[in-house]
This record gives sequence, structure tokens and C-alpha cells, in this order.
Amino acid sequence: KNEVEQSPQNLTAQEGEFITINCSYSVGISALHWLQQHPGGGIVSLFMLSSGKKKHGRLIATINIQEKHSSLHITASHPRDSAVYICAVPYNTDKLIFGTGTRLQVFP
Amino acid sequence: ETGVTQTPRHLVMGMTNKKSLKCEQHLGHNAMYWYKQSAKKPLELMFVYSLEERVENNSVPSRFSPECPNSSHLFLHLHTLQPEDSALYLCASSQALGGGATDTQYFGPGTRLTVL
Repeated sequence: KNEVEQSPQNLTAQEGEFITINCSYSVGISALHWLQQHPGGGIVSLFMLSSGKKKHGRLIATINIQEKHSSLHITASHPRDSAVYICAVPYNTDKLIFGTGTRLQVFP
Repeated sequence: ETGVTQTPRHLVMGMTNKKSLKCEQHLGHNAMYWYKQSAKKPLELMFVYSLEERVENNSVPSRFSPECPNSSHLFLHLHTLQPEDSALYLCASSQALGGGATDTQYFGPGTRLTVL
């Protein structure tokens, strides 16, 4: 069993819809990362958070340390949001453990 | 522009070939990483370098040999690879010394490797 679980694995949406991607983890952590991977492979770090909520444009990330759960929300989704969204948590000071990702497709 | 570049972007090689992947970061960071991403599997950490010194070798087969000549450059030398080594190889860097788990990592575009 992967120590970082994401759901759903695949998600399709119509443009404008509100999107939620979930991440659950089993190890104790100091911070959680959300990453975005576009077709072609490049990965961009979206958020690193250790408590509460962070917002960047139409993206919102929340984390509940007690429940070991984080969510990534996208408001007013757009086709350019189509990508794989990856959750990652620290294993120790040197490593991140990654989820398998959620593939999002937003159709016009 | 992520500040981390990788070459080549695509590589096809036979099992007896020797090739090298190159990564360069223009961000003044102190730590660099090699990751492997196989189809339908999570990203796997291969190597971590901090100030040109290897601090992590995540049980990677010896047919993968990293080299970090300075804090801006990282190489992955490949020899006698197997078809199951076909994957996307990603380089990343971070400011923090010796780790990146609590620091933002900046990724390169990756090298898509196919081993025939």
C-alpha cells in the first residue's frame, strides 16, 4: 500500500466546474506538497503547506494534519488546467514520497 | 522557464550503449535530485546531491551512475540498461542543504528514455 493515496485517479470536468482532488497519507509529516505535471513531463510546484489553507489564483489547497488529509481545489476550471496533479509528503529530511497522481481533463 | 534544464529531452538507446543525461540549474540552489517516473507509478527518488556531495542513494542499480561536478550541474551516466529502465527521468533542485522535503523543489522538463 502506497503511503500517499490520491483520489480520484482520473477526473473529467466541463469548463467552469469546481474541482476537488484528495490526498491521504499515513506517515507523520511536517509539510505537504502539491505539484502539477503537464503533458510532456514538466513538473511545477504549486503549494507547500503544513497547516490550514493556501490560495494562489484559482487554486486552493487545504490540509488537516489530525486527519492526515489534504485537498486541492480548482475554481472555475479551464482546459489549461488539464494536467496530472501530484501530492507528496516528506519521508525524512532527504526524501519526498509521491502519490500516483490525479489525471484531470477539463473540456471546453 | 523553470530555471532547470535537461538534455537530451528524448533518448533511445540499446542495452549495450553508454549515454549520459545532463541537468543544469540556474537558480543558485545547493541541492539537486534525480527522479525516475515509470508509467503508472509514482515518482521515485534516485539520488540526492548537496553541495556536490551525494547524500542519498536510494538503492539504485549500479548501471545508473550519477556525477555532480559542481552545484549547478548534475549528470546521470547510463550503461547496460534494461528495457524496464525506460521511463521519464527528472532532475530537480532546491535551495535547502541536504534535503528538499520541506523546501520547494524546481523540476526540469525531463528526459524521456527508451531502452530497446
